[in-house]
Amino acid sequence: DTAVSQTPKYLVTQMGNDKSIKCEQNLGHDTMYWYKQDSKKFLKIMFSYNNKELIINETVPNRFSPKSPDKAHLNLHINSLELGDSAVYFCASSQPTSGVPSEQFFGPGTRLTVL
Amino acid sequence: QKEVEQDPGPLSVPEGAIVSLNCTYSNSAFQYFMWYRQYSRKGPELLMYTYSSGNKEDGRFTAQVDKSSKYISLFIRDSQPSDSATYLCAMSQGAQKLVFGQGTRLTINP
Repeated sequence: DTAVSQTPKYLVTQMGNDKSIKCEQNLGHDTMYWYKQDSKKFLKIMFSYNNKELIINETVPNRFSPKSPDKAHLNLHINSLELGDSAVYFCASSQPTSGVPSEQFFGPGTRLTVL
Repeated sequence: QKEVEQDPGPLSVPEGAIVSLNCTYSNSAFQYFMWYRQYSRKGPELLMYTYSSGNKEDGRFTAQVDKSSKYISLFIRDSQPSDSATYLCAMSQGAQKLVFGQGTRLTINP
């Protein structure tokens, strides 16, 4: 019984293509996140949704568009893929508590390679 | 300059050694400090969580925060090969956004 799952696990594609990554959590959490981890292991937040509402939108190219159809799902669509988009993308979820950060539960990651 | 600085290593120590991992930060508004452990090809998982300055101990792990120096540490006692992983510090001003360090890759040799 996986808590946070992502599909696909690996994605290899050509420059210029459009691709999507899906994330689902069965923890009943209200908040979900997308992170990008580059080749140097630097983990950086991209987006966060709370109950389907966008609450964090970092400086990310507008080729990246998140979508949350319901609070258990958060998908990431990437248009016109570039070489620099190659990274591991992690989805995470948490149950917010008032004013303090709560533990974030991460998925297994999607390793994206753009050729 | 990054908000959170962490030596990426790699760090390699013999089994049973005491390991010290550290992060420095520049944003004095950070109040919440975490350590996440990430095994190879897996997502990070929370290891330790502290608020403001002070120490917190959990088994073989001790987290220390020195807000006056903007410096946090994670100590691992009696290190085991199963502790081999990348350790990421993370910190936050408030409820939502975590800022992560680069992670230190640690190997414990049997």
